[in-house]
Amino acid sequence: DTAVSQTPKYLVTQMGNDKSIKCEQNLGHDTMYWYKQDSKKFLKIMFSYNNKELIINETVPNRFSPKSPDKAHLNLHINSLELGDSAVYFCASSPHPVGNPNYGYTFGSGTRLTVV
Amino acid sequence: GDSVTQMEGPVTLSEEAFLTINCTYTATGYPSLFWYVQYPGEGLQLLLKATKADDKGSNKGFEATYRKETTSFHLEKGSVQVSDSAVYFCARSINTDKLIFGTGTRLQVFP
Repeated sequence: DTAVSQTPKYLVTQMGNDKSIKCEQNLGHDTMYWYKQDSKKFLKIMFSYNNKELIINETVPNRFSPKSPDKAHLNLHINSLELGDSAVYFCASSPHPVGNPNYGYTFGSGTRLTVV
Repeated sequence: GDSVTQMEGPVTLSEEAFLTINCTYTATGYPSLFWYVQYPGEGLQLLLKATKADDKGSNKGFEATYRKETTSFHLEKGSVQVSDSAVYFCARSINTDKLIFGTGTRLQVFP
């Protein structure tokens, strides 16, 4: 069983469209994250959620809206896609209530988003 | 602000060569330090960590020592294998609830 699974793995879409990426973890972890990895492999945190509540929002444009229907899911919806949104988006989870990194993060395998 | 700086890649080595990937961090607070590895087509995996100065993290033959005096956490392995080919990310904690990463260093090991 995949611990942190993301869908879709690849997503190609046109500018201006709205799209969603889904993430599910079966580890029973309390905290989930979205990270963005750009073309230069720079990995930057976007959001974190603890048990359905937003705890970190790293000044991401409000076109990005995370949604956590329950503790095991954290989806990312993106409105009005732009070329600069092209990247690999990683979901991650942590067993710690506030995501203490000392407990390690588990990452999904990523969603490669290409905006054309 | 807080940051992590890694050497640029790719690092290209022959099998059984010695590996060093340099990493330095900003010295604010008392961070924990980490190395994560990303194999092709996969997500990042925790490789090793050190939570305080002079700690040495180790796993799968890789080692890194938390050097507060030089604000460094260099990754080393005595004899690399082709299967070690991946992207390696150095990271530090921010407070107790966040992790920030360096830009990653691609390692390519040839037979």
